[in-house]
Amino acid sequence: NAGVTQTPKFQVLKTGQSMTLQCAQDMNHNSMYWYRQDPGMGLRLIYYSASEGTTDKGEVPNGYNVSRLNKREFSLRLESAAPSQTSVYFCASTRDTSSYEQYFGPGTRLTVT
Amino acid sequence: AQRVTQPEKLLSVFKGAPVELKCNYSYSGSPELFWYVQYSRQRLQLLLRHISRESIKGFTADLNKGETSFHLKKPFAQEEDSAMYYCALSSGNTPLVFGKGTRLSVIA
Repeated sequence: NAGVTQTPKFQVLKTGQSMTLQCAQDMNHNSMYWYRQDPGMGLRLIYYSASEGTTDKGEVPNGYNVSRLNKREFSLRLESAAPSQTSVYFCASTRDTSSYEQYFGPGTRLTVT
Repeated sequence: AQRVTQPEKLLSVFKGAPVELKCNYSYSGSPELFWYVQYSRQRLQLLLRHISRESIKGFTADLNKGETSFHLKKPFAQEEDSAMYYCALSSGNTPLVFGKGTRLSVIA
């Protein structure tokens, strides 16, 4: 099992450009999450999907949109990238939202110039 | 509101010295507390949870409800313990709340 996979691993964007970060899990988990990791700020939840067909805002949703494409895939879209969105983005999944053990992807390092 | 506080951004200790990574939480109910770890070039992963009361890689953590703390401890630090450590709180059917993390550096 690959667990949680993310693409791309690295990306450089110019201000105003758009892109979609892809995430997939093969553990048959119901819940999926997107976090950003910034120095001194730790892990902050952007959006999550408790189950297929549902999405909810986390702590820092502004500037992002998400799509739970199916049970396996959960994408994060930046419609108009800003330098403040330079970060490392992590996708994670759990069996459901009451499960404590989150399985994380390897991360996507995004730089917006 | 749930909150997890890790007061130290960086903690440096010498190899063989004791380690204590501090975590305090704010939650009105009965929380479940966890420690996650991220080693260099590896994924974030669960280290331990308070319910299991186990020792993982020599680390232990005790939930102190009176002090609302869940500090991570190890009696003798090793170089391979150098990593980013996150304390996290679970309150039921909501996503985990993470602290801001503490980077542990073990100096040889």
